[in-house]
Order: sequence, then C-alpha cells, then structure tokens
Amino acid sequence: AQSVAQPEDQVNVAEGNPLTVKCTYSVSGNPYLFWYVQYPNRGLQFLLKYITGDNLVKGSYGFEAEFNKSQTSFHLKKPSALVSDSALYFCATPPGGGSYIPTFGRGTSLIVHP
Amino acid sequence: ETGVTQTPRHLVMGMTNKKSLKCEQHLGHNAMYWYKQSAKKPLELMFVYSLEERVENNSVPSRFSPECPNSSHLFLHLHTLQPEDSALYLCASSQASGLAGELFFGEGSRLTVL
Repeated sequence: AQSVAQPEDQVNVAEGNPLTVKCTYSVSGNPYLFWYVQYPNRGLQFLLKYITGDNLVKGSYGFEAEFNKSQTSFHLKKPSALVSDSALYFCATPPGGGSYIPTFGRGTSLIVHP
Repeated sequence: ETGVTQTPRHLVMGMTNKKSLKCEQHLGHNAMYWYKQSAKKPLELMFVYSLEERVENNSVPSRFSPECPNSSHLFLHLHTLQPEDSALYLCASSQASGLAGELFFGEGSRLTVL
C-alpha cells in the first residue's frame, strides 16, 4: 500500500531563515511524490512533484524538495522563509496499483514569525 | 484560478434542510473527487468519479449523495446533516489515466450545520 508520513504537526521558523517540512514515504515501485500548500480558507495548490531524474526538484514560490531514496524521504525546503509562506503543507503520492485514491499526509502547519 | 470552481463558498443550513454543493472543472480532466476537511483532522476522501462513474465510496453516510452528470460537473447533495458534518468540502479533478498527474482543487465550500 502507498503511504506518506509527515512527522511534524507544526514547524516554526523565523522569517529569513531556511525552512524544512519533512515527508517520508512507503510506496511500491518507483515513487511519484507531490507537495501541496493550503493557505487559510483556500483549497490546496500544487507546489511541485518528483517523478524521476534529478533528486532536487524546484517548484512554485521558491520552494524545492529533495528526494532521498535511501532515507525514503521527500523533504520540502526553502532557503529563506517569508511570513506569507505560513500555511498548511501536504505531502502526497498519486494512486497506484489500480486505485484511484491519492494518498495525502496529515499535513504540517508552517508558521513563519516576523 | 485553478480551473476548478466550487459554489457556494459558504453555506449555513439546519439539520432538516436539503442543499447541494456544486463543482465545475474547465481543465478537460476525467476524474473528480470530493474531500472533507475538518479542523484538526486529516483530509478525508469521500467520493471519486472517473469517466462519470463512481469508483470509490469511502463509507460515507447516506445523508451525503454525490452526482456526476458529466465529466465537468460534480455535485454533493446534502440532506438531514448533523452538526459534526460542519467542515470545508473540497472538490478536485485530475487526469485519471495519468499516474503522475497532480490534483487541482477548488477553493472549497465552508459548510456550517446548525
């Protein structure tokens, strides 16, 4: 079965500091991995995805994610956090094995302090 | 603008009312989803339609009734809801045949049941 885990419910970081939001995965075969962001009172928005190729994936709003096969991780990163990055972040993996159900992590609330 | 439009954005209803949530996608996708998002809880998948046929029904109470008349429209009919059904209801679409395709979400319908 496909699964992703986000071990932190909340991450706090000061504006201007680097941020990391963690995700680990358990998938059969080659992993496809996604990050989504949800701003308050909004729907989820796609940030980036890893399909194959370079382990460092660049996405929207200056975010990037590093795929690490040996650690089965796909952490979301940004070199310099902004207050406006404060939101809920979801790691996900698409359906597999004939299922139509994407698998989402529980979400991590990122709070960037001025 | 994600290409997925949900109406209404806010809805307040009593437990004996009947109302409907509407979702429309302009992306040419062939799969559509209903998710429920409650405070402090993970995203809950409710229904999935692929090519206008329901392919997943995640043990959702019968007071929620989905309808997918065509590949661009998805409804969620609500009847005799309970206060615990108050939540943000999110619609999403994707290409069902694309394993690596991301989901596109609407902005959500905030439902309050009195």
